[in-house]
Amino acid sequence: AQSVTQLDSQVPVFEEAPVELRCNYSSSVSVYLFWYVQYPNQGLQLLLKYLSGSTLVKGINGFEAEFNKSQTSFHLRKPSVHISDTAEYFCAVTTPLGQNFVFGPGTRLSVLP
Amino acid sequence: DADVTQTPRNRITKTGKRIMLECSQTKGHDRMYWYRQDPGLGLRLIYYSFDVKDINKGEISDGYSVSRQAQAKFSLSLESAIPNQTALYFCATSDGRLATNTGELFFGEGSRLTVL
Repeated sequence: AQSVTQLDSQVPVFEEAPVELRCNYSSSVSVYLFWYVQYPNQGLQLLLKYLSGSTLVKGINGFEAEFNKSQTSFHLRKPSVHISDTAEYFCAVTTPLGQNFVFGPGTRLSVLP
Repeated sequence: DADVTQTPRNRITKTGKRIMLECSQTKGHDRMYWYRQDPGLGLRLIYYSFDVKDINKGEISDGYSVSRQAQAKFSLSLESAIPNQTALYFCATSDGRLATNTGELFFGEGSRLTVL
């Protein structure tokens, strides 16, 4: 079975500062990794995903994440955040057959003016 | 129009009432899911279906039932609602065909249920 840990439940950061949201996973098999974002009163939308290949993945809105197999991590980064990035961010993992999609508890990013 | 549509978007009900949340999709995906979101717990899987004749329990299926009426429709029922079922419920879909499967889930806008 897979599991996902997001070490920070809340991350406050000032506008235009860099941010990193941490995600670690455990799995005995190879996995696909995802970051989803949930803006207030909305559903979840995909930010980026890692399936295979290059370990640095670029997503929408200037976000990127790096897959580190040895550390079983998939941290999300943005070099300069904007007020509009305030949202909840979920890391998720699934097996390639998609039979077990597991979400982390979420990290609430608050961007302060 | 949204690719994954949930109805109702908001519902307030009383303990013991039967509630149905409906989900329909126009993405042509074979797989459909119901998740529950609670603060600090992320999303937890209630039920999932990989095709019309396939229904599987998820992590927290007790107190819930589902029906896959067609490839595009997947409904969630609470036979006798209780207050701790107050939550935000999400329907999601994915494409299970090997050639196009990227594992990605596509979500509806959510149904907020309050049980008094």
